[in-house]
Amino acid sequence: DGGITQSPKYLFRKEGQNVTLSCEQNLNHDAMYWYRQDPGQGLRLIYYSQIVNDFQKGDIAEGYSVSREKKESFPLTVTSAQKNPTAFYLCASSRPGRSTGEAFFGQGTRLTVV
Amino acid sequence: KQEVTQIPAALSVPEGENLVLNCSFTDSAIYNLQWFRQDPGKGLTSLLLIQSSQREQTSGRLNASLDKSSGRSTLYIAASQPGDSATYLCAVQTSGSRLTFGEGTQLTVNP
Repeated sequence: DGGITQSPKYLFRKEGQNVTLSCEQNLNHDAMYWYRQDPGQGLRLIYYSQIVNDFQKGDIAEGYSVSREKKESFPLTVTSAQKNPTAFYLCASSRPGRSTGEAFFGQGTRLTVV
Repeated sequence: KQEVTQIPAALSVPEGENLVLNCSFTDSAIYNLQWFRQDPGKGLTSLLLIQSSQREQTSGRLNASLDKSSGRSTLYIAASQPGDSATYLCAVQTSGSRLTFGEGTQLTVNP
């Protein structure tokens, strides 16, 4: 089945630790995205990538880092510089451009600082 | 900067009612607009995608319209059911593949 897989589903981080969230897609999409969702709020864009080896900061990139070495994979690292990382993280992909562009989402990773 | 607003923030209706959710955006230079559904603790499920050149899209009991010049979209749900209870989000795609979301409308359909 084609789709987007995020892992793990739940993640616990100690203060001062870096953690990496995985996002893999087999939809052959060029564009991939990371969003953060806090309780009762909408989605805020962290980073996005239009093609391999290229990515852009979104609205809340501070304290996060990404890489895009393969088309299928777009891992997100939450660094110790992110002061309030507890949130629900969502990864998405799409075929960018005027003629298509439907975005598909993974099931999310819930990160909790302990 | 593109901003997306959804009204109302929450809506509670009896089963069987027809309802309309609203989405507005500030920059009309969009590639497409997409409506999603989110169940509690889950990811987003795509409902309808409207390209910038289109006026509406339909899927079953759902109908979405787009008026790009006025920066508005509506999602119409016919004959609502308790299973429609969820949060509905709209998102617009602009140049550079950027996707911007509204904060969503939380819908409750009461049996």
